Parts: sequence; C-alpha cells; structure tokens
Amino acid sequence: EPEVTQTPSHQVTQMGQEVILRCVPISNHLYFYWYRQILGQKVEFLVSFYNNEISEKSEIFDDQFSVERPDGSNFTLKIRSTKLEDSAMYFCASTERQGGLAGELFFGEGSRLTVL
Amino acid sequence: AQRVTQPEKLLSVFKGAPVELKCNYSYSGSPELFWYVQYSRQRLQLLLRHISRESIKGFTADLNKGETSFHLKKPFAQEEDSAMYYCAPNAGNNRKLIWGLGTSLAVNP
Repeated sequence: EPEVTQTPSHQVTQMGQEVILRCVPISNHLYFYWYRQILGQKVEFLVSFYNNEISEKSEIFDDQFSVERPDGSNFTLKIRSTKLEDSAMYFCASTERQGGLAGELFFGEGSRLTVL
Repeated sequence: AQRVTQPEKLLSVFKGAPVELKCNYSYSGSPELFWYVQYSRQRLQLLLRHISRESIKGFTADLNKGETSFHLKKPFAQEEDSAMYYCAPNAGNNRKLIWGLGTSLAVNP
C-alpha cells in the first residue's frame, strides 16, 4: 500500500541553523500539507500546496518557513533560521481529492526536530 | 472563531466497557468532520468521516448539528483501541483542517 515517507525521522540542530525536512507524498496525490505538533500540544496546520504553489498557510508559517516541490516527487519544508520554539514533530500529508471538501489525509510518520 | 474542543485529554476505561470520546466544534456552514487516530509508534490515520456514515473498528460518530458535536462512540472497548484520537473538522474548501487537542484513550484489561 502506498505511503507518505518522511526523512529524517529525527534531526537535532543548533539554533539559527537551516533545516530541510523532506517528504515523498503518495504519487497520484495532488495536495500536500505540512503540520506540526509541539510536545503536549495539538496538531497545527502550517501550509497546503497545490499545483506548485502555496494555497493556504497559517500564521505560524512566517518568512522563516518555505516549501517547495523541486522534482515532482519530493515535497520539502525549509526552516531558514531555527528557533528553540520550532522544536516539534513535523508531519507531512497528502490527499488526492479535488473539489470543495477535503479528502482523507495520508500522513507520514513525522520528523522530530530538536533545536538546541 | 473556528474551534474544536475535545474536553478529555485522557480517558481510561476497562475492556468491554462503552466508550465515548467527545468533540464539539464551533464553525459556520456545513463542515465535513473526521476522526483521526494515532496508535503507539504509528502514523496518524483516518478512522472515519461523518459523510460516509460508516463504522470502522466498531466506532461510529454522529454529527449533531444542533449540539455542534461529533462524538466518537464504541459499545465495547478493546485493548487495541488504546490510542490518541483527534477530532478534525474541515474548515471549508481551503483544506485547512483545524484539529482538536486530542484524547488519549487507554483501555485496561
């Protein structure tokens, strides 16, 4: 069964460093998402991506964050200069559905980012 | 404001007991509603959505528009139901799912 895959599973970085989290969505899916979950808190939407551009982003997704789909396969989340509060589990998700209603989200296993 | 409330952070029941995980939402319009589940060491996955009116692993969820609730129920809990459960209404056609805080269900033998 096709799955969303994420790498790395865990990354430790120093504050101020750039981090790139990678995701390979399910191949026939059209919509891609990043969510994050700070330890003990709820899952928060960061950004959605469709047709090679951001379709929606939250207030969390500021200028320090960027996403791209460089090669039609990978979907990356870049944090330009990490802060301590960026420490969280980051989930990538994808869905195939078009139209007004969201379809089922298929999630990756997450990338845990620890900023020291 | 759009908000999802899952009032119980932790729910502990015995095997065979009925279980109800509460979810209330504050949202205008007609949301499509989902329950996602995360078993230990596994990824988040869809459990069920109200629009399909299905029962998955014995769980059902009824949308009550009057009470703006979408509680998840199962008549007889099993140990393998122990997991984290998230209520997630769709916020319209922008695909931004607003998540509840989650309820950790522990089913004890």
